[in-house]
Amino acid sequence: DAGITQSPRYKITETGRQVTLMCHQTWSHSYMFWYRQDLGHGLRLIYYSAAADITDKGEVPDGYVVSRSKTENFPLTLESATRSQTSVYFCASHPTGTGNNQPQHFGDGTRLSIL
Amino acid sequence: DQQVKQNSPSLSVQEGRISILNCDYTNSMFDYFLWYKKYPAEGPTFLISISSIKDKNEDGRFTVFLNKSAKHLSLHIVPSQPGDSAVYFCAASDTGGFKTIFGAGTRLFVKA
Repeated sequence: DAGITQSPRYKITETGRQVTLMCHQTWSHSYMFWYRQDLGHGLRLIYYSAAADITDKGEVPDGYVVSRSKTENFPLTLESATRSQTSVYFCASHPTGTGNNQPQHFGDGTRLSIL
Repeated sequence: DQQVKQNSPSLSVQEGRISILNCDYTNSMFDYFLWYKKYPAEGPTFLISISSIKDKNEDGRFTVFLNKSAKHLSLHIVPSQPGDSAVYFCAASDTGGFKTIFGAGTRLFVKA
């Protein structure tokens, strides 16, 4: 089915561990984004990508690493997880357009708990 | 420094009445505004948008109003239905950038 899928949906890990959240979209959208959702903060941009091999930092990039070797995949890695990174993570995409005037399509999120 | 603010964390409305959700922004460079709706355990979904060259955009029961001088926009839902109960996020972006800034969200409860 066409769409954007995130995996896993739920993850529990310990501080100091490395964890990777996966995001896959089937639309061949150019732009992809990673957000975290925390109470009182709404959605905050972690990293985004305008195309394969092009990534840039968002509002809260510290502690995260991304890559985009293929257009359809945009994994997010926490290299050494901390409790402050406990959150719900959303991946999103939108097609090529003028600037950012395109609604984004979101995955259903990954709920990550770091103990 | 929150560039997009939704000052009401929650709103409760009776079925059939109007729901009005408000949003304020501080960055005058924003020229495109969106509303997203989010149900529990799902990702946000796009609801309606408005360009800064307009002051109103309507789609069925949903209307967004933009007041540029006040840097304020609002989402009106008429009539409200129980299925509208969700979290609504206001978002803003500028044409030259690639980032969308989201508000903290307003949780709407529509009582039957």
